[in-house]
Amino acid sequence: EAQVTQNPRYLITVTGKKLTVTCSQNMNHEYMSWYRQDPGLGLRQIYYSMNVEVTDKGDVPEGYKVSRKEKRNFPLILESPSPNQTSLYFCASSLYALGGGAGQPQHFGDGTRLSIL
Amino acid sequence: GENVEQHPSTLSVQEGDSAVIKCTYSDSASNYFPWYKQELGKRPQLIIDIRSNVGEKKDQRIAVTLNKTAKHFSLHITETQPEDSAVYFCAATPYNNNDMRFGAGTRLTVKP
Repeated sequence: EAQVTQNPRYLITVTGKKLTVTCSQNMNHEYMSWYRQDPGLGLRQIYYSMNVEVTDKGDVPEGYKVSRKEKRNFPLILESPSPNQTSLYFCASSLYALGGGAGQPQHFGDGTRLSIL
Repeated sequence: GENVEQHPSTLSVQEGDSAVIKCTYSDSASNYFPWYKQELGKRPQLIIDIRSNVGEKKDQRIAVTLNKTAKHFSLHITETQPEDSAVYFCAATPYNNNDMRFGAGTRLTVKP
């Protein structure tokens, strides 16, 4: 089944304790991205990747890191989490990069609810 | 950069009525406009999309219209059903960028 898989689905942790949220897709998609969803703010992009070893900042990259060493995986890293990073996080992927007239739908994972105390 | 505004933030309709959600965008170079539906506790899922070379697209009870001159696009749901209750997000993809900007969402409630 074609899907985007995120882990963990839920995590409660404390300020300053490094964490990684994994994201994997099995559709051979080139483009992957991370969003955070907060009430009244919609989905805001954190980072995106157009292909292996190519990553770029989205709207709200502060406090996050990403890497794209393999096509299928795009982990989100919080080196020193803070309470303002408590949010619902979604990973998404699409076949190709979104710009240059190639706009296409993104497929979303089931989300990771992160609480940082 | 692109800015997408979505209205209304909440919408309540009676079953069988129509619902309309409107979005405006700022970047005239944006050329792809998807709509996502997010049910409670679930992931956003694409329900319909439109490209800038098309003015209207329909899929059963759902339609999207695009006015490039005014830089706005709308989602129309006819004959609403309780299972249409969800949060709906519009989005825009600029031609000269590789991100997708989302509106803040509309919570639609369809009352039986």
